[in-house]
Amino acid sequence: AQKVTQAQTEISVVEKEDVTLDCVYETRDTTYYLFWYKQPPSGELVFLIRRNSFDEQNEISGRYSWNFQKSTSSFNFTITASQVVDSAVYFCALSEAEYSGGGADGLTFGKGTHLIIQP
Amino acid sequence: ETGVTQTPRHLVMGMTNKKSLKCEQHLGHNAMYWYKQSAKKPLELMFVYNFKEQTENNSVPSRFSPECPNSSHLFLHLHTLQPEDSALYLCASSQETLAGGPTDTQYFGPGTRLTVL
Repeated sequence: AQKVTQAQTEISVVEKEDVTLDCVYETRDTTYYLFWYKQPPSGELVFLIRRNSFDEQNEISGRYSWNFQKSTSSFNFTITASQVVDSAVYFCALSEAEYSGGGADGLTFGKGTHLIIQP
Repeated sequence: ETGVTQTPRHLVMGMTNKKSLKCEQHLGHNAMYWYKQSAKKPLELMFVYNFKEQTENNSVPSRFSPECPNSSHLFLHLHTLQPEDSALYLCASSQETLAGGPTDTQYFGPGTRLTVL
């Protein structure tokens, strides 16, 4: 069965520090997507990135970067020079082709990592 | 800006009340979802609608009743809820194909914070 593990329940760093959020996934499928979402205190999940299982290139978007490694089934997220506005709960999620049968299906979410950036 | 709206944002109801949550997506998507987020638990999928047809009911109690009149609107009707149903209810939408493949990016609304007394 598919599974997403975010072992870090809470991380607290001082502003301007770099911080990495870990995500480890389990799947028997060869075709899948991985996602990261941000949930600020307001509650809305904000989409950050989608990564296709066939694309292992790392991605950088401003201060955000993602490291996808199929060999270790990990999809880690790094924030460089963190800011107070980065404080939120971050979720890693997985969707698979085989078990969805094509079409719509729920995403499998990790439990989330609460990131606190202190000024 | 995700283009998915939910009303109301906050709801307090008694165990004998009947209420409805509304979700509307302005993204032209063909699939919509209800998730439940309780404290200290992962997001739980409740219902999936694909092309307005319900394709999944994740063993949700019958006191929760979904309705999808068209591809842009999704409702969750609530009746005789229990205090443990208090949670954040999130609606999402995505654009899916019939050809198969993993479920694509889901865009979420701000959620309805429900408290059952």
